[in-house]
Amino acid sequence: DQQVKQNSPSLSVQEGRISILNCDYTNSMFDYFLWYKKYPAEGPTFLISISSIKDKNEDGRFTVFLNKSAKHLSLHIVPSQPGDSAVYFCAAGSEKLTFGTGTRLTIIP
Amino acid sequence: NAGVTQTPKFRILKIGQSMTLQCTQDMNHNYMYWYRQDPGMGLKLIYYSVGAGITDKGEVPNGYNVSRSTTEDFPLRLELAAPSQTSVYFCASTSPGFSTDTQYFGPGTRLTVL
Repeated sequence: DQQVKQNSPSLSVQEGRISILNCDYTNSMFDYFLWYKKYPAEGPTFLISISSIKDKNEDGRFTVFLNKSAKHLSLHIVPSQPGDSAVYFCAAGSEKLTFGTGTRLTIIP
Repeated sequence: NAGVTQTPKFRILKIGQSMTLQCTQDMNHNYMYWYRQDPGMGLKLIYYSVGAGITDKGEVPNGYNVSRSTTEDFPLRLELAAPSQTSVYFCASTSPGFSTDTQYFGPGTRLTVL
């Protein structure tokens, strides 16, 4: 039972354009949502988070949107840069985190 | 400040062998976690600990054991290695307070069981 789903295994975006990564969840008890970025042969690194009392959180080029009624969150990266090429995991939880399967983002120079 | 360190980076085990994956953090975090990541899959929680002397099972605990005798260390033990335990293992820790606060991950241990 996959409680957190990332339905796009991969995404390619032109440098300078907007990257939009999507994530859906099924457990309405989740109250905290995070995005992690992972490069090959490294551990995931925290990118941005949002609590269930908000619907938007921004940090520089990264913005996370939360739609609780649709149980959907998205990560917007604008403008996209070559260094953003990585695997992105969304995670959700209350006491413990449940991770999605990841989306591999490739930024095309 | 090294963050979260894991040893070894790579290991090949034969079926039935045992080993301990080491994890140490120097951030004085109360919460520590062990995850495994299989190819094309997300991270699945094996065990976690909310403080020294306290551990609890995650989503996929079978075949593993943990202990937490100090705040810094959270070793993961495989007693009878099986091919299904071939995976990349990540240890993580987080700051006191919210258990879902930002988790800091180690670089991972790639384990192959043949």
